[in-house]
Amino acid sequence: EIVLTQSPGTLSLSPGERATLSCRASQSVSSSYLAWYQQKPGQAPRLLIYGASSRATGIPDRFSGSGSGTDFTLTISRLEPEDFAVYYCQQYGSSPETFGQGTKLEIK
Amino acid sequence: QVQLQESGPGLVKPSQTLSLTCTVSGGSIRSGGYYWSWIRQHPGKGLEWIGYIYYSGSTYYNPSLKSRVTISVDTSKNQFSLKLTSVTAADTAVYYCARRWGGTFDIWGQGTMVTVSS
Repeated sequence: EIVLTQSPGTLSLSPGERATLSCRASQSVSSSYLAWYQQKPGQAPRLLIYGASSRATGIPDRFSGSGSGTDFTLTISRLEPEDFAVYYCQQYGSSPETFGQGTKLEIK
Repeated sequence: QVQLQESGPGLVKPSQTLSLTCTVSGGSIRSGGYYWSWIRQHPGKGLEWIGYIYYSGSTYYNPSLKSRVTISVDTSKNQFSLKLTSVTAADTAVYYCARRWGGTFDIWGQGTMVTVSS
C-alpha cells in the first residue's frame, strides 16, 4: 500500500498570499496518477486536480498541481477567502487507492 | 447534472451489519466508464476508500475491509449499496458515495454519519 504524507499539517496564510502544499508518496506513483481534493467543514470533498496537473471542470486557474514520482505539489497562486479548507491528495496508480492525511489551510 | 444521495440508518449496534444505499439522479448508473464507490471518513480524520462497483456487477474492495464488505448495484433503481458486517466502534464514520472516473472521485454525495453504539 502506498502511504501519502502531506505537509505541513496546518498552513496559516493571508488572503492574496501564495500557498504551497506538499504530498510525498512512500513509493513512486505510476503515471502520475495523483489527485487533489478540497474539503470544507460539513461538506464532501471536491476534486481539484487529477493526473498530478490537470484541473477538474470548473476549477479556477489559481489552482495548479505539479510533480511526479514520489513528490507532488498543489499551489494556490493567490488565496481567496473561500480557499481556506482542508486539502487531500489521493493516489490511484496502485491498489488500494489511498489518501493523504490532509493539510489544513487556515486564515492567518 | 449527476447527483448522488446516501440513505440508511444513522445508528447501528455493535456486531450488526451496516447497510447504506446511494441513489444516483440526473444520469444513468449504466453510463460506461464510471465506477460507483464508497468512501468513509472517521470523525476529524482523513479519507478511506472502501470499494467500488461497475454497473455490470464487477467489484473492487480495499483489502483492509474486504472480508466484511459487499457492494451491490440495482440498475433498475439507479442505486448501489454498501453492506459492512460485524461492525465495531471503529466503523463510526461519515460514509460517502461517489462516482469514480479514471481513478478519481469526481462527484460525491453529501455524506451520511453512521454511529456504531449499543
